[in-house]
Amino acid sequence: SAVISQKPSRDICQRGTSLTIQCQVDSQVTMMFWYRQQPGQSLTLIATANQGSEATYESGFVIDKFPISRPNLTFSTLTVSNMSPEDSSIYLCSLEDTGTLGETQYFGPGTRLLVL
Amino acid sequence: AQSVAQPEDQVNVAEGNPLTVKCTYSVSGNPYLFWYVQYPNRGLQFLLKYITGDNLVKGSYGFEAEFNKSQTSFHLKKPSALVSDSALYFCAVRADQTGANNLFFGTGTRLTVIP
Repeated sequence: SAVISQKPSRDICQRGTSLTIQCQVDSQVTMMFWYRQQPGQSLTLIATANQGSEATYESGFVIDKFPISRPNLTFSTLTVSNMSPEDSSIYLCSLEDTGTLGETQYFGPGTRLLVL
Repeated sequence: AQSVAQPEDQVNVAEGNPLTVKCTYSVSGNPYLFWYVQYPNRGLQFLLKYITGDNLVKGSYGFEAEFNKSQTSFHLKKPSALVSDSALYFCAVRADQTGANNLFFGTGTRLTVIP
């Protein structure tokens, strides 16, 4: 499977600021996803990011709050804008591998965000 | 609409004993079912999945899962637990429909293997 890296691995931010999280993959992939895992909770899909098109956001998530870029087939960014303590979460990117295992999502190591 | 239930927040098992982590699902159409494991301060690691074929699926680290269509279940099992299996386990489902790439996750089950 592809190797997925995320930067930063963790950060502590002040209320009202923004943070951009980078996701880098070592091979070209069509579909990438961004998830949020709030403390003690499960994963929730924020948006799907396909190269060459606008990201598709899930209910409850909007582009102004979570702008996403997908400039090429190996890279994506998620920005958490105007942060509040409620944004403290782990943010994970994933990709869909349609290779031998077919339609399996693989996840990056996550970015652990704490907003004060 | 898709949903996943993991009825147990916590499962404790003695090392060497068999373990089961339960998962039931609801999905329109045929399900694609997945198990992931999350170790402390790590991302999610793929364990195994069911798409079609044999109901018993074997995956990484000696884990297996059995798809039961009548009970809409996909329980994760291992014949002999190791202390290193202690982690958070997530069951996930998606529908086998074009464009339905979303994974819906359960709330997770924390497995503790007691030495």
